[in-house]
This record gives sequence, structure tokens and C-alpha cells, in this order.
Amino acid sequence: DAKTTQPPSMDCAEGRAANLPCNHSTISGNEYVYWYRQIHSQGPQYIIHGLKNNETNEMASLIITEDRKSSTLILPHATLRDTAVYYCIVGGDMRFGAGTRLTVKP
Amino acid sequence: ETGVTQTPRHLVMGMTNKKSLKCEQHLGHNAMYWYKQSAKKPLELMFVYSLEERVENNSVPSRFSPECPNSSHLFLHLHTLQPEDSALYLCASSQDVPLREAYTQYFGPGTRLTVL
Repeated sequence: DAKTTQPPSMDCAEGRAANLPCNHSTISGNEYVYWYRQIHSQGPQYIIHGLKNNETNEMASLIITEDRKSSTLILPHATLRDTAVYYCIVGGDMRFGAGTRLTVKP
Repeated sequence: ETGVTQTPRHLVMGMTNKKSLKCEQHLGHNAMYWYKQSAKKPLELMFVYSLEERVENNSVPSRFSPECPNSSHLFLHLHTLQPEDSALYLCASSQDVPLREAYTQYFGPGTRLTVL
């Protein structure tokens, strides 16, 4: 079973920030948090990962709480093309849960 | 383009057929994976190969037979499949690192398999 909990769906207005939460209360001290997304019927795409510190790349920002039991993926200016299922994964066994279906609306 | 290619992209087969799915990665990685994604279900990890050795088999039925002849190629041989095996089959690769350290998987586009 996946070691993370995510809301099943979220909506976001185009151009606004999308904040996707993930709970991983059983995370171990040296396990990384990874985020992937899957656009309909395509292979999952890596977005970002982090261990303790907040991370930012050209796609998104990752905010990890100090106790590491939860994190938030931030898409700063969501576009229609960001509509996808977003997966939060913890650790090295790469077990995907159901993810969050993000719908960006015009 | 992720550097991971899969062929064929679509496959329709009967229950008595034998077919193979192919995956190739051009990223210099040394670990490769097969996943199955059934309709409206999460991805299920099927097989993991690291340095061409199978390191994980998640209780997959024997009608699915993986082969990893080298670090760039991965096959999934299919025989006597059932209609419930119809799914999207995804291949991924990564640079294998010690357990729990950071690594990133790159996925191929998948093969959409339909078993009649």
C-alpha cells in the first residue's frame, strides 16, 4: 500500500497557484518525497523531489513541513495543460497511490 | 520525450496468443521497471530489474514473463492472457542507488494492451 494520503480531486483557476497537499506521517528519516504527474493515458512525468528542505525547479515548488509528515506541491501559475493526476510518493519503493486529480479551469 | 521508448504503443491480442512488449532506454540508467495500470486504478509495480538482475517480483502471474538482456532493454513476454489483463503497461528506468536515497524514474509512453 502507498504510504501517502492525498485528496482525490482538486480544482484550480487558470493562472492561479495550485497547492496540492500530501500526508506522509510514517515517513522515515532518510526517505525522500517525490512528486510525479500523469496526463491522461501518458506515462507519469517526474516533477520534483525533496528530503528536508524546500525545493524549487522550473515546474514547481515543494514545501516539506519541519516534522516531514506532510508536504505541498505548488504550481505557481497553473495552466490548462497542468490538468493531470498528481502523485506523491515516499521512499524508494515507488508505490503509487490514487493521487490527486487536478483540474485547471479557464 | 523522456528517453524511454516503448513498442508497440497499442496491441490487441487473443487469449491464446503470445506477444512481447519492448522497452528501451537511452539514458544510461541501470534499473528498469514494468508497471501495470488498469482502468481507474493506481499504477501497480510488476517487476524491477537492477543491473540486469530481477530484484523484485510483486506476485505477478506467470503468464507475464520479463526479460532484461542488458541495461538498456526490457521485455515483457505475454502468453495466455485473460481479458482482465487489458491495461496500460508502462516501462520506467532510473539510476539505481542505495535504498531510500534519491533517484528519479523516467517513464515511457506505455503500451495499451487489449485482450479479447
